Amino acid sequence: AQSVTQPDIHITVSEGASLELRCNYSYGATPYLFWYVQSPGQGLQLLLKYFSGDTLVQGIKGFEAEFKRSQSSFNLRKPSVHWSDAAEYFCAAPDTGTASKLTFGTGTRLQVTL
Amino acid sequence: DGGITQSPKYLFRKEGQNVTLSCEQNLNHDAMYWYRQDPGQGLRLIYYSQIVNDFQKGDIAEGYSVSREKKESFPLTVTSAQKNPTAFYLCASSLGQLNTEAFFGQGTRLTVV
Repeated sequence: AQSVTQPDIHITVSEGASLELRCNYSYGATPYLFWYVQSPGQGLQLLLKYFSGDTLVQGIKGFEAEFKRSQSSFNLRKPSVHWSDAAEYFCAAPDTGTASKLTFGTGTRLQVTL
Repeated sequence: DGGITQSPKYLFRKEGQNVTLSCEQNLNHDAMYWYRQDPGQGLRLIYYSQIVNDFQKGDIAEGYSVSREKKESFPLTVTSAQKNPTAFYLCASSLGQLNTEAFFGQGTRLTVV
């Protein structure tokens, strides 16, 4: 079965520090990959997406992610974290059996200290 | 503005009662989804619909029912058969293709009292 794994349940960084959230996938072909962010009690907002082409994709709010086929990874990065970035982050990919279904990782909760 | 509207935001239900969560979208999307979110478990798919008058079970459909009579609407009923219904429920929609993202509503928090 296809799967998306986020190894880190909880990460704490200081404001201004760099951030990297990990995402690993298990797919045979080149996958489509997404990163979403969720503030407490809210829905999910798309940060960025990878379909093909350049392996480094830019998203909203200063986030970027790099697709590495050799490592089956799609890690999310931000050079300098702001306190408002504290939220839960989800990596996702479509189910190849049914095009429109998304499989989500279990999420990484980001805490930002001042 | 286009988007997805879920209502109500908070819902309380007595044990043994059915309750229906509303989801409406004006994005002209073909596909709609219901997810359940519990702490530490990410999002789990309850039901999804790729076209009007058709829907499929997701990973945790037991105790839930849906309908898709209109393209814009995909209500979810939490029945009394759902053993642990207290959770955060998220509705989403998409164009229904591999390379398109899902758009989410703001969620409904259901609490059984």
